[in-house]
Amino acid sequence: AQSVTQLDSQVPVFEEAPVELRCNYSSSVSVYLFWYVQYPNQGLQLLLKYLSGSTLVKGINGFEAEFNKSQTSFHLRKPSVHISDTAEYFCAVSESSSSASKIIFGSGTRLSIRP
Amino acid sequence: EAEVAQSPRYKITEKSQAVAFWCDPISGHATLYWYRQILGQGPELLVQFQDESVVDDSQLPKDRFSAERLKGVDSTLKIQPAELGDSAMYLCASSPGTYFVHEQYFGPGTRLTVT
Repeated sequence: AQSVTQLDSQVPVFEEAPVELRCNYSSSVSVYLFWYVQYPNQGLQLLLKYLSGSTLVKGINGFEAEFNKSQTSFHLRKPSVHISDTAEYFCAVSESSSSASKIIFGSGTRLSIRP
Repeated sequence: EAEVAQSPRYKITEKSQAVAFWCDPISGHATLYWYRQILGQGPELLVQFQDESVVDDSQLPKDRFSAERLKGVDSTLKIQPAELGDSAMYLCASSPGTYFVHEQYFGPGTRLTVT
């Protein structure tokens, strides 16, 4: 079975500063990895996903993430954040080879941007 | 752009009452998911449908929760009777098929408050 650990429940940063949200996963099989963003009282929006190939994945809104198989990590980064990036961010994992696969979500990291 | 529709967006009910949520997936999407997201946590899968059939309902509290997708299109999730611990965001998602877990799109959610 897979699991996801988001190491920080809250990350405060200043506007225009860089940010990294950490994510580690556990799985005995090959995986897909995802980052979702959730704004208050809204559903989840996909930021980016790793399926295969290049370990550096670029997503929407200037975010990127790097898949590190040896460290079982998939950290999310942005070089310069904006007030509008204030939201909850969820890392998620699923098996890549099963028709019955489901997405397992981490507990989330709340990103707060200070002006 | 096609979207997953959910209604109502907000629902307040008293404990022991019945409540129902509706989801209309993206047209042509064969797989439909219902998730529960407790405040401060990531979403947890309650039930997954492939067309009108249940694929996974292992986390659905069957004594009080039921879900149906009679014609393989829209779906209803019901809680009867509601308990205080059911207060949460209920998210619906859809994908083209069970092999397409990586192409999952979420609706805006229904925020349930049980008083």
